[in-house]
Amino acid sequence: NAGVMQNPRHLVRRRGQEARLRCSPMKGHSHVYWYRQLPEEGLKFMVYLQKENIIDESGMPKERFSAEFPKEGPSILRIQQVVRGDSAAYFCASSPSFRGGTEAFFGQGTRLTVV
Amino acid sequence: RKEVEQDPGPFNVPEGATVAFNCTYSNSASQSFFWYRQDCRKEPKLLMSVYSSGNEDGRFTAQLNRASQYISLLIRDSKLSDSATYLCVVINNQGGKLIFGQGTELSVKP
Repeated sequence: NAGVMQNPRHLVRRRGQEARLRCSPMKGHSHVYWYRQLPEEGLKFMVYLQKENIIDESGMPKERFSAEFPKEGPSILRIQQVVRGDSAAYFCASSPSFRGGTEAFFGQGTRLTVV
Repeated sequence: RKEVEQDPGPFNVPEGATVAFNCTYSNSASQSFFWYRQDCRKEPKLLMSVYSSGNEDGRFTAQLNRASQYISLLIRDSKLSDSATYLCVVINNQGGKLIFGQGTELSVKP
């Protein structure tokens, strides 16, 4: 059973380009979370999704950022018109369902660098 | 006020020392609690869940005080390999998202 898979591991984009980050949850997991970690900072919640539904996007910036988790395929975090401040590590986590005590497993992250 | 707050670090301790990390949470609806570990800004990994009755896993002991909204992690007989950032994590059952504290860095020296 493969773990949470994120790709690419490293992504370099020029200012103004689009970044697409992919996350394949563990087999049997229907809940996906995205977190951002800026240099020298902690993990910040961005969005929580179930298959085809956004449950909580309270941590998502209002503009340029979007996320989806389609019925088939990986979850995608999309950043349009990237700026230098978007440079960070983006981690995805998955869990089988939300019940109290259910842990989440993390992918290795995508390091986004905006030049 | 942050939802989850941890002791500021870093903690620098010698091998063999006992070290304790503290964490407080602001949302009384929080229902699930964990300690995660993060090495060199790699992906966080679950260290242990935290139960109301307290729980122990080898050299690690976690405790929860719901009345005070306080969680702790005790590491006994520190090893060099314990050097990492320790993250307190809280889940609010009403929302389902994991909320992370800012992390406390531990450095164990020979």
